[in-house]
Amino acid sequence: AQKITQTQPGMFVQEKEAVTLDCTYDTSDQSYGLFWYKQPSSGEMIFLIYQGSYDEQNATEGRYSLNFQKARKSANLVISASQLGDSAMYFCAMREKDDSGYALNFGKGTSLLVTP
Amino acid sequence: KAGVTQTPRYLIKTRGQQVTLSCSPISGHRSVSWYQQTPGQGLQFLFEYFSETQRNKGNFPGRFSGRQFSNSRSEMNVSTLELGDSALYLCASSFPEGNTEAFFGQGTRLTVV
Repeated sequence: AQKITQTQPGMFVQEKEAVTLDCTYDTSDQSYGLFWYKQPSSGEMIFLIYQGSYDEQNATEGRYSLNFQKARKSANLVISASQLGDSAMYFCAMREKDDSGYALNFGKGTSLLVTP
Repeated sequence: KAGVTQTPRYLIKTRGQQVTLSCSPISGHRSVSWYQQTPGQGLQFLFEYFSETQRNKGNFPGRFSGRQFSNSRSEMNVSTLELGDSALYLCASSFPEGNTEAFFGQGTRLTVV
């Protein structure tokens, strides 16, 4: 079963506007971590933001913030003041602890295009 | 602080050959995990190493293997390459305890012809 769901295959946003990328997750663990990564066409996965399941405050990193709604199992990424360089694939991921270690489960990704 | 380094960046191999990819984690990170990314299957977890031991393994055939050295550097090996092994292979490093950030290298793009 898919553990991370990103329902938006593609999104458009105008430069300087804010955009929200959706992510819902499924886990029965109490302790887990949620991540957002950006992948430009070069292929490198760039870490953006992290939210731990026990963190009470929503994570923020510069123009990125994570809207964490634990009861709804959602972890949406908000990018404020979009820039042309934000055009890329964005992946939501969850890290659960199996009995024998960690693994990241990724969603299918959302392609974001920022237009002038 | 140096990031995660993967070598080589690009590889072209023939079906049936084997290949070894390398990953040097961020200094101080002792957990290294590997992922395969293809257009059809997306990002899939291959395996994770910590203290030179494989701690976790994804659902891949035995042709995919790896190891980790005492300095935390890791290698993955794919034997008897198939066309479907063409992919971007990414490694990530992190602290092994607790839920903390994982940082990725630039990846190795493998093409099997």
